[in-house]
Amino acid sequence: AQKVTQAQTEISVVEKEDVTLDCVYETRDTTYYLFWYKQPPSGELVFLIRRNSFDEQNEISGRYSWNFQKSTSSFNFTITASQVVDSAVYFCALSEAMGSSNTGKLIFGQGTTLQVKP
Amino acid sequence: DAGVIQSPRHEVTEMGQEVTLRCKPISGHNSLFWYRQTMMRGLELLIYFNNNVPIDDSGMPEDRFSAKMPNASFSTLKIQPSEPRDSAVYFCASSLSGTGGRELFFGEGSRLTVL
Repeated sequence: AQKVTQAQTEISVVEKEDVTLDCVYETRDTTYYLFWYKQPPSGELVFLIRRNSFDEQNEISGRYSWNFQKSTSSFNFTITASQVVDSAVYFCALSEAMGSSNTGKLIFGQGTTLQVKP
Repeated sequence: DAGVIQSPRHEVTEMGQEVTLRCKPISGHNSLFWYRQTMMRGLELLIYFNNNVPIDDSGMPEDRFSAKMPNASFSTLKIQPSEPRDSAVYFCASSLSGTGGRELFFGEGSRLTVL
């Protein structure tokens, strides 16, 4: 069965600190997709990144970076120089694939609440 | 471009009443998903449609829940009769299915409170 585990329930940091959010997944599929979403206090879910199982290259987008390691089934998310506006719940998700397609069925982790204090 | 539009944003109702949640997906998207978010169970998929056809409704809790997608630009999730345990935030999401993987775009959610 597919599963996503975000072991960190809550993290609190002071502004400008770096913070890493952990995500470990389980799947028997050889083709799958991984996602990170942000849920700010306003409640909407905001897409951050998508990765397919064949692309282990790490990605950096501004202060955000992602480390994908198939060997450890992990897809960790790092925020560099955190800001108060980064305070949100962050969800890691796994999508099953049918062939090379993404079915869109996302299995979410329980989320990590990040609080960035000024 | 408009995102996924959900209504109502908030609904408070009494146990036993019928609740209808509505969703307008992003124009051109051919997949639509209904998710529910609760503290206990997190985010869980209820049902999804491809090209207006329900593909997987295994997440629908019970017969009190039903979902329809009469056309490409509208979907409803109905609960009849509602119960207090149905209180949750219900999200609708849409995507363009196909090869290469597609992210889901979520609406702002409908917060349902059943008293």
